[in-house]
Amino acid sequence: GAVVSQHPSRVICKSGTSVKIECRSLDFQATTMFWYRQFPKQSLMLMATSNEGSKATYEQGVEKDKFLINHASLTLSTLTVTSAHPEDSSFYICSARLRTGDNEQYFGPGTRLTVT
Amino acid sequence: AQSVSQHNHHVILSEAASLELGCNYSYGGTVNLFWYVQYPGQHLQLLLKYFSGDPLVKGIKGFEAEFIKSKFSFNLRKPSVQWSDTAEYFCAVNPNSGGYQKVTFGTGTKLQVIP
Repeated sequence: GAVVSQHPSRVICKSGTSVKIECRSLDFQATTMFWYRQFPKQSLMLMATSNEGSKATYEQGVEKDKFLINHASLTLSTLTVTSAHPEDSSFYICSARLRTGDNEQYFGPGTRLTVT
Repeated sequence: AQSVSQHNHHVILSEAASLELGCNYSYGGTVNLFWYVQYPGQHLQLLLKYFSGDPLVKGIKGFEAEFIKSKFSFNLRKPSVQWSDTAEYFCAVNPNSGGYQKVTFGTGTKLQVIP
């Protein structure tokens, strides 16, 4: 149980275009989903916390107009990277917290974004 | 704000060797502690967690970790590693202070086990 999926797993896009990444909790309802960014040889950096039906809470330094997050249902959150630039190339990982339960997060497999 | 440091960035061991990965955190209050593992090409998985109670926590695949409050540490151990333990290991912490607090991750330790 507690499986989280992400789509796509890899995406290559051109500078200036937008890319949408989906995060789904497959067998549970997630009150809260989290979006992380992972740079090579670095830790996961929390970008934003997404609560179903409300606006996402962004971490300091993360541009909310560039990284649009929509948590439309208890099983789906999307991250849209708008007007992508090469420096946005990274590994994006989402996680989800059970609607009821402890502080454990369940992670998706990640999405590798390459902006050319 | 809390922070987590993992001292070893890359560890190479032979099979059957014992493993200890260091993790220290900084936060003044009560915390929840986690160790996650990321096998090559796979997503992060929870190895074990500590919320309260016995400070020696046993996880999956023979791993354990000990919370030493006085040292702000939560080191991961395994008495005898296997080649299949080759992975990256992340320590994480979040404050246990009512409601949900965000989780902060360490920079990770890459473990390479040589057959």
